[in-house]
Amino acid sequence: QKEVEQDPGPLSVPEGAIVSLNCTYSNSAFQYFMWYRQYSRKGPELLMYTYSSGNKEDGRFTAQVDKSSKYISLFIRDSQPSDSATYLCAMRLDAGNNRKLIWGLGTSLAVNP
Amino acid sequence: NAGVMQNPRHLVRRRGQEARLRCSPMKGHSHVYWYRQLPEEGLKFMVYLQKENIIDESGMPKERFSAEFPKEGPSILRIQQVVRGDSAAYFCASSPGRPETQYFGPGTRLLVL
Repeated sequence: QKEVEQDPGPLSVPEGAIVSLNCTYSNSAFQYFMWYRQYSRKGPELLMYTYSSGNKEDGRFTAQVDKSSKYISLFIRDSQPSDSATYLCAMRLDAGNNRKLIWGLGTSLAVNP
Repeated sequence: NAGVMQNPRHLVRRRGQEARLRCSPMKGHSHVYWYRQLPEEGLKFMVYLQKENIIDESGMPKERFSAEFPKEGPSILRIQQVVRGDSAAYFCASSPGRPETQYFGPGTRLLVL
């Protein structure tokens, strides 16, 4: 079993839809949770990160962490064609010098005009 | 402030040759991470360096691969005697401190013939 599971999609939605992207994980010690966006042939771009449980909002993006279920989500409101990309979740422990990020495989999203 | 720079963007090598990948972090960032990305495997952590020090190389193969981040100049990921299985996209990321805020370069796509 992978430490971080993410449905690869592809996910196809019409413009303006609310998008829900999710990851599950097996290590209950993970404390930091990140969402990155990666356009084709580009490097990943950090969208937001959260520490422990709770919600965080940034513009059209909302990240949620449910540690009891080991489940994290990224919601995109009013989705735009420019949101079409692969979305990667990543997470890490909060332990001394352990700075290694563990990544999901990514979910491919297509927003259709 | 220029982003993370990587060069070359594309590199073609024959089996047995050496590949040298360069990464210039963002200004003011003293932490560098190297990752390898394959479509079926996602992003895999290779090594984490601070200036002149390798902090965590647990994701890097013990043979043929080495990394450095000298006091002056870019970080270098070196692959000796490349094999076809080394073909992948190699990304570096830099951070001012917190590993949750990693900024990625555009990647180097290595093709081994």
